[in-house]
Amino acid sequence: GDSVTQMEGPVTLSEEAFLTINCTYTATGYPSLFWYVQYPGEGLQLLLKATKADDKGSNKGFEATYRKETTSFHLEKGSVQVSDSAVYFCALSGSGAGSYQLTFGKGTKLSVIP
Amino acid sequence: GAGVSQSPSNKVTEKGKDVELRCDPISGHTALYWYRQSLGQGLEFLIYFQGNSAPDKSGLPSDRFSAERTGGSVSTLTIQRTQQEDSAVYLCASSHLGGTVAGYNEQFFGPGTRLTVL
Repeated sequence: GDSVTQMEGPVTLSEEAFLTINCTYTATGYPSLFWYVQYPGEGLQLLLKATKADDKGSNKGFEATYRKETTSFHLEKGSVQVSDSAVYFCALSGSGAGSYQLTFGKGTKLSVIP
Repeated sequence: GAGVSQSPSNKVTEKGKDVELRCDPISGHTALYWYRQSLGQGLEFLIYFQGNSAPDKSGLPSDRFSAERTGGSVSTLTIQRTQQEDSAVYLCASSHLGGTVAGYNEQFFGPGTRLTVL
């Protein structure tokens, strides 16, 4: 079945540091890929998505590129802020009709210190 | 408009008791999903509703778990004879369309219900 593997945390960075959270996946066909973020005390929010190979999703300074050759979707941000402290989840949705559920990685907790 | 809401936000129960968790999806969203977030297992898919029907119940961990949806809106997840391993955050999500068309329909998540079984 489908699966997502992301780097385990926690990750602690200083403000303005560069962030990379690795994510790789296993799926048949051409899944859609996502990064969700969960801020403390809040629900999951979609951060960015990419639906086909070589697509780059971007939002709030975060970027991730759908790399089919390496089955990866690494999350990056050039300069993190304290407000980026949250748990980040990589996820996929299978291709084709009937593909509705999201398969998540285990999450990476990011703490940004001033 | 309002987002997905869930109640209660926290529930503490004793082992062996039944619990009901409620989800109010975004108005007009035809698809509704339940997930479970636990320390050991991460985020797991439980069940999906298209309208009032649940075409996929494969994620329910045991027959103690059941869910229903009425009027194409509110959904209730029921756990009977709760066990300590049921302790988790139960998340509900809704989307405009479900798996009836190819491709992805963005799922909007509620804040979750934190269930603690003593």
